[in-house]
Amino acid sequence: ILNVEQSPQSLHVQEGDSTNFTCSFPSSNFYALHWYRWETAKSPEALFVMTLNGDEKKKGRISATLNTKEGYSYLYIKGSQPEDSATYLCALGVYGGSQGNLIFGKGTKLSVKP
Amino acid sequence: ETGVTQSPTHLIKTRGQQVTLRCSSQSGHNTVSWYQQALGQGPQFIFQYYREEENGRGNFPPRFSGLQFPNYSSELNVNALEQDDSALYLCASSLGQGALPDTQYFGPGTRLTVL
Repeated sequence: ILNVEQSPQSLHVQEGDSTNFTCSFPSSNFYALHWYRWETAKSPEALFVMTLNGDEKKKGRISATLNTKEGYSYLYIKGSQPEDSATYLCALGVYGGSQGNLIFGKGTKLSVKP
Repeated sequence: ETGVTQSPTHLIKTRGQQVTLRCSSQSGHNTVSWYQQALGQGPQFIFQYYREEENGRGNFPPRFSGLQFPNYSSELNVNALEQDDSALYLCASSLGQGALPDTQYFGPGTRLTVL
């Protein structure tokens, strides 16, 4: 069974702080790494998908990097704002099997205090 | 472009009952995946439908079943409900086979409580 680990489980920062969190995954069976942002009472929103070792993606103040050889991805938020408060999920894309083709971590819950 | 929608938003059932959850996929998507998110866990894959056929199944018992319709909307049915079935059920649609990586777009979920 493939496992995706996210750390930390939760994070409390002040407005303006920059922050980052980690997603670790087994490097076998890999074909993509997805990041989602999930605000309370809303749908999970697709942020990034990365496929190649060394990939970097950026969307406004949020960016992500990927290391497939060592099996990790980082998500960075520069100058956190209260509206960044959400749970950030990473999901490993694998070729379909009994775990499906997206295997999720438990998420990192970010709270940004004004 | 309409996003993924799910109904109902919330549902309360008692043990032994049956439930049907519904999902409308995003326009142009032919693949629907269903996930269960129990408290404190990440979403767990239940099954996926591609063009009305089951295309992969997770580690869930047969009392979890599904359907996909010609318009690619989908249903999740759960029979003989147990208290442990209490969870948020998420539906996601995607472009499907041949589109890799296949980003899945999620609905807001149905919160099921089994008493």
